[in-house]
Amino acid sequence: DTGVSQNPRHKITKRGQNVTFRCDPISEHNRLYWYRQTLGQGPEFLTYFQNEAQLEKSRLLSDRFSAERPKGSFSTLEIQRTEQGDSAMYLCASSQGSASYNEQFFGPGTRLTVL
Amino acid sequence: AQKVTQAQTEISVVEKEDVTLDCVYETRDTTYYLFWYKQPPSGELVFLIRRNSFDEQNEISGRYSWNFQKSTSSFNFTITASQVVDSAVYFCALSEAWETSGSRLTFGEGTQLTVNP
Repeated sequence: DTGVSQNPRHKITKRGQNVTFRCDPISEHNRLYWYRQTLGQGPEFLTYFQNEAQLEKSRLLSDRFSAERPKGSFSTLEIQRTEQGDSAMYLCASSQGSASYNEQFFGPGTRLTVL
Repeated sequence: AQKVTQAQTEISVVEKEDVTLDCVYETRDTTYYLFWYKQPPSGELVFLIRRNSFDEQNEISGRYSWNFQKSTSSFNFTITASQVVDSAVYFCALSEAWETSGSRLTFGEGTQLTVNP
């Protein structure tokens, strides 16, 4: 078991460009979460999937953000027309089952820098 | 709305000292779960412990111990005989049992612990 993986690990882009991140969860995990973490802060929830269904989106997730999880396996998070305020670490986590007590296993994150 | 507060932004101790990290939470739910995660300099969040709202027993795991008190809405974390390898950011987090919340984690702002040799 290789844990949760995320690619790329770092992304530098210019304002206005689109970026896409990928997350591969632990293979048997049916829930997948995206969080955003800015410097000196705790992670903030963005959205989550149960299998291929996107069940909840945070108000933080503006119209420029879209996430998918085709076939309930890996997930992608796309940010369109990036802004400098989008600079952050984007974390993916996965868990098994549907209960709130199941611990979430986090990936190493993708650090986005918008110039 | 759920909220987690970690009032201590940074703590610095000398190796072998005991250190307690404070966590205070707010929730309207009667069933909820509390977590502690560690984020070392490498950046990857590491799960440490989970507690449910029904179980106020304190827990000890090696040098780590946790004190959960519903009366004060606190879930504090103590490291005994700290080591340099304990240096990291520690996050307290809360999830509610409501199905609509989807077990999202609400994190505190974290406490940066530095253990000096």
